[in-house]
Amino acid sequence: DQQVKQNSPSLSVQEGRISILNCDYTNSMFDYFLWYKKYPAEGPTFLISISSIKDKNEDGRFTVFLNKSAKHLSLHIVPSQPGDSAVYFCAALHQTGANNLFFGTGTRLTVIP
Amino acid sequence: DVKVTQSSRYLVKRTGEKVFLECVQDMDHENMFWYRQDPGLGLRLIYFSYDVKMKEKGDIPEGYSVSREKKERFSLILESASTNQTSMYLCASRLPDSRQGKETQYFGPGTRLLVL
Repeated sequence: DQQVKQNSPSLSVQEGRISILNCDYTNSMFDYFLWYKKYPAEGPTFLISISSIKDKNEDGRFTVFLNKSAKHLSLHIVPSQPGDSAVYFCAALHQTGANNLFFGTGTRLTVIP
Repeated sequence: DVKVTQSSRYLVKRTGEKVFLECVQDMDHENMFWYRQDPGLGLRLIYFSYDVKMKEKGDIPEGYSVSREKKERFSLILESASTNQTSMYLCASRLPDSRQGKETQYFGPGTRLLVL
């Protein structure tokens, strides 16, 4: 049973525009959320995270928004750059529970120059 | 910089063979993990280890075992490889809970295994 879902397997965006990647989760015990970025033939790398006590976290061009009532988070990239083209994985965990990450299925972002 | 290395980038094995996938991290992390990545399924946790000699089953442990004899090394073993174990295998390590950034896992480059 997939507890973290990314319903869009792919997304194409023009360079300079905003990319919005979405993620939904079902387990209300999750209290920490992360986004990882993965290039082909490489392991995922950590991008940005957010605790459930916040609803927004920003780091440069990347902003993550959390809507706890909707069990939804999103990653905004603005402006999008061709180097952002990768697969993005959303992940969640329950910090006082098993403390293991649950990953979504990933969204492949293509930024068109 | 944290470095997580995996012994092979690509591996081809025959059905029934015993397969060892090795992972080494150089940052003294207590926690280590093995995942497999498959299209449409994301990353699924196979096994993890919170310390030397310790191991815990993840979501899909069937057909796999692990070994953690040293802190820096976490091995994944396929006792008798099958074609449905063809996948990308990713190892990760994590800082201990007491330190800032505990939730961040650092991944190796992955091993793409093909079982014929």
